[in-house]
Amino acid sequence: QQQVKQSPQSLIVQKGGIPIINCAYENTAFDYFPWYQQFPGKGPALLIAIRPDVSEKKEGRFTISFNKSAKQFSLHIMDSQPGDSATYFCAARSGGYQKVTFGTGTKLQVIP
Amino acid sequence: DAGVIQSPRHEVTEMGQEVTLRCKPISGHNSLFWYRQTMMRGLELLIYFNNNVPIDDSGMPEDRFSAKMPNASFSTLKIQPSEPRDSAVYFCASSLGQDSNNEQFFGPGTRLTVL
Repeated sequence: QQQVKQSPQSLIVQKGGIPIINCAYENTAFDYFPWYQQFPGKGPALLIAIRPDVSEKKEGRFTISFNKSAKQFSLHIMDSQPGDSATYFCAARSGGYQKVTFGTGTKLQVIP
Repeated sequence: DAGVIQSPRHEVTEMGQEVTLRCKPISGHNSLFWYRQTMMRGLELLIYFNNNVPIDDSGMPEDRFSAKMPNASFSTLKIQPSEPRDSAVYFCASSLGQDSNNEQFFGPGTRLTVL
């Protein structure tokens, strides 16, 4: 059972564009939502994370928007750069429990 | 710190052979995770340990897979016998502990090909 649904599967944007990646979850016990960035040949690395008591979190050019009632959250990348080209995974974890459920990933390509 | 260390980085083997993947977590981290990544199924948690004790192995696909953590600085994932469908990238990750805010740090992965 897929508990975190992610879309789109792939995304191509021009440099400077704002790619948006969307995720939806089912398990209301989830209370921590990290996003991971993975470059080819590397392991995923934590990019930014949010808890459901806030509706938005910004770190540099990366912003998470969170809608608790809809059980949805999204990643926005402002002023995207070719160096942002990577696969992005949303994820969810319930409190006190280390198991992370990952979305299926979005392969982002930023064209110069 | 060198980060999470995995070996080998690439492994090619024939169906039926035993495969052992190795992981050294970041020093001081007491939680360790094994993941499998494929195009079809994405990132799947296979098993995780806390203080060297397996906590959740519900993701281990079948009895052919086994994992051990004999001490705080070493873990193995063994597949015996291996099958072509086991071909994937296997990641090891570690974190400081049980707190749900503790970031998981991933190793570079082992790309396994079973012919």
